[in-house]
Amino acid sequence: KNEVEQSPQNLTAQEGEFITINCSYSVGISALHWLQQHPGGGIVSLFMLSSGKKKHGRLIATINIQEKHSSLHITASHPRDSAVYICAVPLGSARQLTFGSGTQLTVLP
Amino acid sequence: ETGVTQTPRHLVMGMTNKKSLKCEQHLGHNAMYWYKQSAKKPLELMFVYNFKEQTENNSVPSRFSPECPNSSHLFLHLHTLQPEDSALYLCASSQERVGIAVSYEQYFGPGTRLTVT
Repeated sequence: KNEVEQSPQNLTAQEGEFITINCSYSVGISALHWLQQHPGGGIVSLFMLSSGKKKHGRLIATINIQEKHSSLHITASHPRDSAVYICAVPLGSARQLTFGSGTQLTVLP
Repeated sequence: ETGVTQTPRHLVMGMTNKKSLKCEQHLGHNAMYWYKQSAKKPLELMFVYNFKEQTENNSVPSRFSPECPNSSHLFLHLHTLQPEDSALYLCASSQERVGIAVSYEQYFGPGTRLTVT
């Protein structure tokens, strides 16, 4: 069983839809990372958060430390949002991130 | 543009070859990481260097040998690899503060797509 669980694994949406991707983890953490991976492999860090909510453009990340759960929301989704979204947490040392298996998002025009 | 570059971007090698992957970060960071991403599997941490000292080795086989000559450069030397080592190898960097054990935002390179034949 992966210590970092993401859902759904695959998500297809129509342009303009509101998207939610979920991440659950098994132990207490100092911070959670949300990453975006485009076809071809490049990874971009979207958020690192330890409490509450962060917003960047159309992206919103929330975390509930007590429930060990985080969500990534995309408002007014666009085809260019199509990518794999990955959550990661430091389950071992602070430097040792454990990654979820990713959510493949496809936004159709 | 992430500030972390990797070369080569694609590499095909036989099982008896020796090759090296190179990573360079232009962000002034003091920690660098090697990750492996196999098809259909989550990213796996391989090695961490902090202030040029290796601080994590995630039970990686000895056919993978890291080298960090300075805080800007990181190498992964490969020899006698197996076909199951075919994967995307990603480098990342972060800026850490001494004595503070918290998670820091990591900046990733574009990766090297390795195929072992």
